[in-house]
Amino acid sequence: GAVVSQHPSWVICKSGTSVKIECRSLDFQATTMFWYRQFPKQSLMLMATSNEGSKATYEQGVEKDKFLINHASLTLSTLTVTSAHPEDSSFYICSAYSPGKGKIYGYTFGSGTRLTVV
Amino acid sequence: DAKTTQPTSMDCAEGRAANLPCNHSTISGNEYVYWYRQIHSQGPQYIIHGLKNNETNEMASLIITEDRKSSTLILPHATLRDTAVYYCIVRVGDNQGGKLIFGQGTELSVKP
Repeated sequence: GAVVSQHPSWVICKSGTSVKIECRSLDFQATTMFWYRQFPKQSLMLMATSNEGSKATYEQGVEKDKFLINHASLTLSTLTVTSAHPEDSSFYICSAYSPGKGKIYGYTFGSGTRLTVV
Repeated sequence: DAKTTQPTSMDCAEGRAANLPCNHSTISGNEYVYWYRQIHSQGPQYIIHGLKNNETNEMASLIITEDRKSSTLILPHATLRDTAVYYCIVRVGDNQGGKLIFGQGTELSVKP
């Protein structure tokens, strides 16, 4: 089946530093990737949509200069949290979409990255 | 904003069917309904999706009303491992890579 690998699964960083999270589709090519953020006891909130080779589209209220998204290939997207602060601590989840997998596995989610900023 | 509303929580006895309702009264004609579930601190897991017709797979059945304003996810024989938050989602945007906007979901507790 379709597998999306997200790395790292957890990370602790100091306030003011930057953190990069990788999202890879292992056995399919993803035309579109999505990044979500989830705070404790809350639902997933869509942050941005990215297509390979083009700039990401950010949801309203999400700072594009703080959350840098790069979709360099059909199998890799990265999210960089720049100048992280404690309020950026959250669970970040990526999702990869492939029309080739269509009906059954159109949207596959990674296992998430727990970011803690201290 | 999410286009779906679900009960906040539900309980189900192990071995019984779990029926999870979802309202999506503003759904458009070409918008699909997706169901995912999330077990604590993991990524969402795909369950099933449909447009108009009822759907069934090895995990669950999806019943969509004729007017498409609501649907029900059925887990035929719930087990303790089915305890999770279940999200009913209407895909927003065109078919190729439209966005999944999550609502609050239903926290299903399967009890022995």
